[in-house]
Amino acid sequence: NAGVTQTPKFRVLKTGQSMTLLCAQDMNHEYMYWYRQDPGMGLRLIHYSVGEGTTAKGEVPDGYNVSRLKKQNFLLGLESAAPSQTSVYFCASSYSTAYEQYFGPGTRLTVT
Amino acid sequence: AQTVTQSQPEMSVQEAETVTLSCTYDTSESDYYLFWYKQPPSRQMILVIRQEAYKQQNATENRFSVNFQKAAKSFSLKISDSQLGDAAMYFCASFTGGGNKLTFGTGTQLKVEL
Repeated sequence: NAGVTQTPKFRVLKTGQSMTLLCAQDMNHEYMYWYRQDPGMGLRLIHYSVGEGTTAKGEVPDGYNVSRLKKQNFLLGLESAAPSQTSVYFCASSYSTAYEQYFGPGTRLTVT
Repeated sequence: AQTVTQSQPEMSVQEAETVTLSCTYDTSESDYYLFWYKQPPSRQMILVIRQEAYKQQNATENRFSVNFQKAAKSFSLKISDSQLGDAAMYFCASFTGGGNKLTFGTGTQLKVEL
């Protein structure tokens, strides 16, 4: 099992450009999450999904959109990137809400 | 709202010694779960230990154990016989069903010295 994978691992964008981060899991988990990690602030939840076709806002959703068209995939989109979105992005999945979340390796995004 | 506080930005421990990382949390819910995650330089987040709030017994995983003080809302991590591979950033996190999300602390950077 690959677990949770993220594509790409690194990306540099110019302000105003758009991009999509892809998260895939092969553990048949219902729940998937997107976090961002900034220095000194731990991880903060951007959006999450409790099942195929569902999404919900987390703690810091502004400037991001998500989609969960297939159970195994969870996409995070930036429509118009801003320097404040420079961060490391983590995807995670879990069998159930209170169970262990399995994390992907992260994507380092720089917006100039 | 949930909050998780880690008051030690950095800690150091000698190899083979024991170190305790502190964590306090605040939640108004009665049903919640607590976690310690490890993030080594590879950036991968790895679960170290999990504690259900309704269980009085402290969770243990090999060299890792917790001291869960529910009334004080404290959840510290003890690492025994520290090894070089334990050097990492450690995050405390809480989960409640009402919020349906993990809330992370700001992390403690652990250094292990020879």
